[in-house]
Amino acid sequence: TQLLEQSPQFLSIQEGENLTVYCNSSSVFSSLQWYRQEPGEGPVLLVTVVTGGEVKKLKRLTFQFGDARKDSSLHITAAQTGDTGLYLCAGGENYGQNFVFGPGTRLSVLP
Amino acid sequence: DAGVIQSPRHEVTEMGQEVTLRCKPISGHNSLFWYRQTMMRGLELLIYFNNNVPIDDSGMPEDRFSAKMPNASFSTLKIQPSEPRDSAVYFCASRFTGELFFGEGSRLTVL
Repeated sequence: TQLLEQSPQFLSIQEGENLTVYCNSSSVFSSLQWYRQEPGEGPVLLVTVVTGGEVKKLKRLTFQFGDARKDSSLHITAAQTGDTGLYLCAGGENYGQNFVFGPGTRLSVLP
Repeated sequence: DAGVIQSPRHEVTEMGQEVTLRCKPISGHNSLFWYRQTMMRGLELLIYFNNNVPIDDSGMPEDRFSAKMPNASFSTLKIQPSEPRDSAVYFCASRFTGELFFGEGSRLTVL
């Protein structure tokens, strides 16, 4: 099983600030997904990136897949309290048949 | 449309008791996954099925854990006998292609 690391582990910021969280591995993944999980709920998919160097935008969220498909970043512009949650990256294994998850970054956006 | 349905949502049991967790995937999805989430270890893949057939159970901790998928609309994860270290939130997820859809989880506490 390939391993994913995420940083930072915890992040607490004020509303309106920008932030970037990272997902890294020594292995190459066929695809990478980002999920957000809120307390008492299961993770919900935000985006899937497939091509090395790919950049995807989802409103104030910008996702980038590294050129070598070993790492990814999530940038949030002008964070809002609704962005609070656990952000998980997941790498596709076995040609995308299953996904291994990173430990997550727990984000807290304060009003 | 109904999402992935898990039961029970909460289970408190004593060490040595048998625990059965249930999952109904989204209709039409052909892959089903069981994950376990703890603060220490994050989200771990236990087992996944394609078309009701177990594909990879290498994440199942030990022989005390077993999972079945008798048909396309139902799966169970059984722990017998349960131990305090099994306390965690157990998630079921299903997929047709790409995105994983998670249930709300079953929070297990073994005393």
